[in-house]
This record gives sequence, structure tokens and C-alpha cells, in this order.
Amino acid sequence: GAVVSQHPSWVICKSGTSVKIECRSLDFQATTMFWYRQFPKQSLMLMATSNEGSKATYEQGVEKDKFLINHASLTLSTLTVTSAHPEDSSFYICSARSGQGINEQFFGPGTRLTVL
Amino acid sequence: EDQVTQSPEALRLQEGESSSLNCSYTVSGLRGLFWYRQDPGKGPEFLFTLYSAGEEKEKERLKATLTKKESFLHITAPKPEDSATYLCAVYFNKFYFGSGTKLNVKP
Repeated sequence: GAVVSQHPSWVICKSGTSVKIECRSLDFQATTMFWYRQFPKQSLMLMATSNEGSKATYEQGVEKDKFLINHASLTLSTLTVTSAHPEDSSFYICSARSGQGINEQFFGPGTRLTVL
Repeated sequence: EDQVTQSPEALRLQEGESSSLNCSYTVSGLRGLFWYRQDPGKGPEFLFTLYSAGEEKEKERLKATLTKKESFLHITAPKPEDSATYLCAVYFNKFYFGSGTKLNVKP
């Protein structure tokens, strides 16, 4: 149980284009989903927290207009990187949690984004 | 100020050589501490949740313990397949992740 998928697993795009990454909880309802960014040899950096049906809460320093998050259902959240630039190249990981508070998060396999 | 500190940053062990990884935290009112394993190029894999001081959990060669200020992940007789980065996270009002310990087990 507690499986989270991400699609695509990797994507290469040209500078200035937008890229959408999907995160799905396959066998449970995720009331909360998290989006992280990870640079090589570094830990996870929380970008935003989203609850189903409401606006995402972004961490300080994360541009809301650049990283659009939609949590339209209890099993799906999307992250759209708008007008991507090479500095947006990174490993993006989502996680999902059922319930509130201290329940553990289950992570997706990650998406490698490369912007040329 | 870092809320979660993991040590060592990297650890090299011979197969069968037991050791411990440390996760110390400064948040008060801890509501949960989590251990994850992350392989290169993959998302973290959930291992354990600990809720209160004195609690212990085991899974195969791994054993996690929790005190009021830190947690240990004990690895008994590790195998090369245990090589990975181990992350801990604490939940206070939100999740705080440590920077991880990269474990390399040599055959």
C-alpha cells in the first residue's frame, strides 16, 4: 500500500516552455500533497504544500507564479513549471499524506527536469 | 537555525560492520520523527515513524530509537544493498528534513 506515482520520470525542454508534472496517490486518498526540489547531493527542499480543493501554501522564496500547483482531487496534484529556464533544472519529488498532522508522507519516484 | 541535524554526513562500512546514524533536533513539542531511505535518482522510501521518547522500531537489519533530543538508526551487520542515503524528518508544525547520511557498505 501507500504508493505514489509521478509522471513523467524525466523531461527535457527548451528554455521558455512550460512543463507539467503529475503526482498521483494510487491506493489511498491524499488530503495533503507536498512538492520538493532536490539538488545533487543535497537534501529535500520543500517548495509548497497543497490541500485538496484549496490553494497551495508556498515556502518563502518560492515563486507562486512560476511554480503553479493544482490539487484538484484526493489522488492528483500537478506542478507546472512556467517559462522554464536552465536554473529550474532539478529533481522534483512529490509526496502524499492521508489525514492531517503527524501522518507519514509517502514519496513519488521523482521527476528529473532538464531545461536547455 | 537548523532544526534537524544528521551525522555523519557520510559513512563507509565493511559488510557486517554494525554502526549507528544520528539525527538530532532542536524543535520542542515534537510530534513525530520519520526515517527514510533514498537511493540515487529515486524518491525517499518510508522506513519508520517514532512518536515518543523510548520508542523503538525494527525492520530487518535496521532499528530506530528515539530520545527527547535525538534519534538513532542502528544498522546491524549491514550488506552492500543497504548502501543509500538515510534521511530523517521531524514534524512540529510542519515537516523538517535533515541533510541525510550517505551510507556506503563495501563487500
